[in-house]
Amino acid sequence: DQQVKQNSPSLSVQEGRISILNCDYTNSMFDYFLWYKKYPAEGPTFLISISSIKDKNEDGRFTVFLNKSAKHLSLHIVPSQPGDSAVYFCAAIRDFGNEKLTFGTGTRLTIIP
Amino acid sequence: DSGVTQTPKHLITATGQRVTLRCSPRSGDLSVYWYQQSLDQGLQFLIQYYNGEERAKGNILERFSAQQFPDLHSELNLSSLELGDSALYFCASSVGAANYGYTFGSGTRLTVV
Repeated sequence: DQQVKQNSPSLSVQEGRISILNCDYTNSMFDYFLWYKKYPAEGPTFLISISSIKDKNEDGRFTVFLNKSAKHLSLHIVPSQPGDSAVYFCAAIRDFGNEKLTFGTGTRLTIIP
Repeated sequence: DSGVTQTPKHLITATGQRVTLRCSPRSGDLSVYWYQQSLDQGLQFLIQYYNGEERAKGNILERFSAQQFPDLHSELNLSSLELGDSALYFCASSVGAANYGYTFGSGTRLTVV
């Protein structure tokens, strides 16, 4: 049962344009949603998160939007830079008593110079 | 350097063998999580330990086991290895309750031949 889904395995975006990565989830009990970024030969690194009580969180070039009614979140990167080329994982966690993150399958973002 | 240390980085072994993967969490973190990433798959949660005790279990095979020692390092034991066990195995750590910003190690790439 894939509770967190990233339906686009890959995405290519021109440098300087906006990158939009999407994620859908099925469990309405999730309390927090996170995005992780992973470079080859490295572990995932935390990028940005959003609480289920908010609909937007911004950190520099990165903004995460949450649409609870649609059970959908997205990560916007503006402007996209070559260093943003990586695999992005969406993740969700249910509550403070259950500290296990549930991950999506990832989207490989390639920024074209 | 994320502060989470995983050894070895690479491991090649034959089917039917047993291996041990090691993880040292970031200083001060009490929770250790093990995740498996197979080809084109997301990170699948295996098991979590908190301060020496098993906290949560995911899709971990019976051939796999783990433990967390008093110094908080953790080991993941994989036995009767099969070709399908070839994957990246990540360890992550966190402070504990209400902390969802896991810090990941760089992973151990296991190849079963």
